[in-house]
Amino acid sequence: DIQMTQSPSSLSASVGDRVTITCRASQSIAPFLNWYQLKPGKAPKLLIYAASSLQNEVPLRFSGSGSGTDFTLTISSLQPEDSATYYCQQSYSTLLTFGGGTKVEIK
Amino acid sequence: QVQLQESGPGLVKPSETLSLTCTVSGGSISGAYWNWIRQPPGKGLEWIGLIHFSGNTKYYNPSLKSRVTISVDTSNKHFSLQLNSVTAADTAVYYCAKDFDGSGRILDSWGLGTLVTVSS
Repeated sequence: DIQMTQSPSSLSASVGDRVTITCRASQSIAPFLNWYQLKPGKAPKLLIYAASSLQNEVPLRFSGSGSGTDFTLTISSLQPEDSATYYCQQSYSTLLTFGGGTKVEIK
Repeated sequence: QVQLQESGPGLVKPSETLSLTCTVSGGSISGAYWNWIRQPPGKGLEWIGLIHFSGNTKYYNPSLKSRVTISVDTSNKHFSLQLNSVTAADTAVYYCAKDFDGSGRILDSWGLGTLVTVSS
């Protein structure tokens, strides 16, 4: 299995802050890395696919980057509605695996 | 964009079979892979498996493979999950999801999820 490690597991930031979440794979998987946003009571949402491609209707403040084993999700200017848990997921292998999640809270 | 809705019992007894259905609306069930994912309380996401709309291709998480069956009913636009011999460790929110690009591996449409509790 490809292990996915996210950091931090949680963070608290203010509206307008730049937020970065990191995801590391146990082997090289680029560019097969996707990011999802989960909110309680809502369907999970695909934000970024193929490491850096923005899914339709996702705000431009979200961006993804990375290569090899290391990837980042960046929120350029945090908004109240971005309070959520974010997960990375590798799509390199048929056995899909997710990171442990990063809970983003608004101060 | 398609809408997905999970349905099934919210409570299952230990050793019994968990059965869930995902109904697809607002789009076609054809041409895609259909996935099941779960999230135990307070934990992360675990991929369970997928099925091609034709029913000809199925992949299961090896950790669950001996207990899982995924099937598809294209005429009624739904696909199903069966998990046998459940224990408390199978308590989770179960999601169904559609793949994005025909690879089966990027999930662009998800259901709201349904909580299944395993308890006597």
